[in-house]
Amino acid sequence: AQTVTQSQPEMSVQEAETVTLSCTYDTSESDYYLFWYKQPPSRQMILVIRQEAYKQQNATENRFSVNFQKAAKSFSLKISDSQLGDAAMYFCAYRRANFGNEKLTFGTGTRLTIIP
Amino acid sequence: GAGVSQTPSNKVTEKGKYVELRCDPISGHTALYWYRQSLGQGPEFLIYFQGTGAADDSGLPNDRFFAVRPEGSVSTLKIQRTERGDSAVYLCASSLTVDNSPLHFGNGTRLTVT
Repeated sequence: AQTVTQSQPEMSVQEAETVTLSCTYDTSESDYYLFWYKQPPSRQMILVIRQEAYKQQNATENRFSVNFQKAAKSFSLKISDSQLGDAAMYFCAYRRANFGNEKLTFGTGTRLTIIP
Repeated sequence: GAGVSQTPSNKVTEKGKYVELRCDPISGHTALYWYRQSLGQGPEFLIYFQGTGAADDSGLPNDRFFAVRPEGSVSTLKIQRTERGDSAVYLCASSLTVDNSPLHFGNGTRLTVT
């Protein structure tokens, strides 16, 4: 079974600074997808960024980028120029590829606080 | 609607009662998922529908939990004989039937069993 581990229950960062959230996962599959979701107090899970395992290039979405290390099974999220609106719970998630609409497996989350 | 709609937003019930939670997915999305998120945890998979049929119900914790999607659109998660341990946020998501089509989540229903 696949597992996703987020070892940082809480993180804080000064506004405009950069922060990195960690995620490791365990799988025997060679092809899969990785995601970072943001969950504000509204409870809705919002997709931040995703990475296909077969792609060596790290995904980037504006201020958000990932460091994907396939051999180490590590998938960290870097948030640059942190903004107050970035404050939320962040969840790392895994999904097998090539199995149609496979379910997501989530980590336990990291609560990110932005210090003004 | 523009997004996934879940009703009610909050539900308080007494131990032993029956509850129904509703999910209205994005129009045209054939895949629908239910997740349960306990306090301080990440969402845990419950069940996945492809059209009207449950393609994977391996996450349902016991036979008190049941979900239906009779017309391939709206889904209802049903919990019988509720227990205090059922208290959680129940999230619904939908997607297109394409490999790695992104999941769109609703705002969830917070269920409190007293």
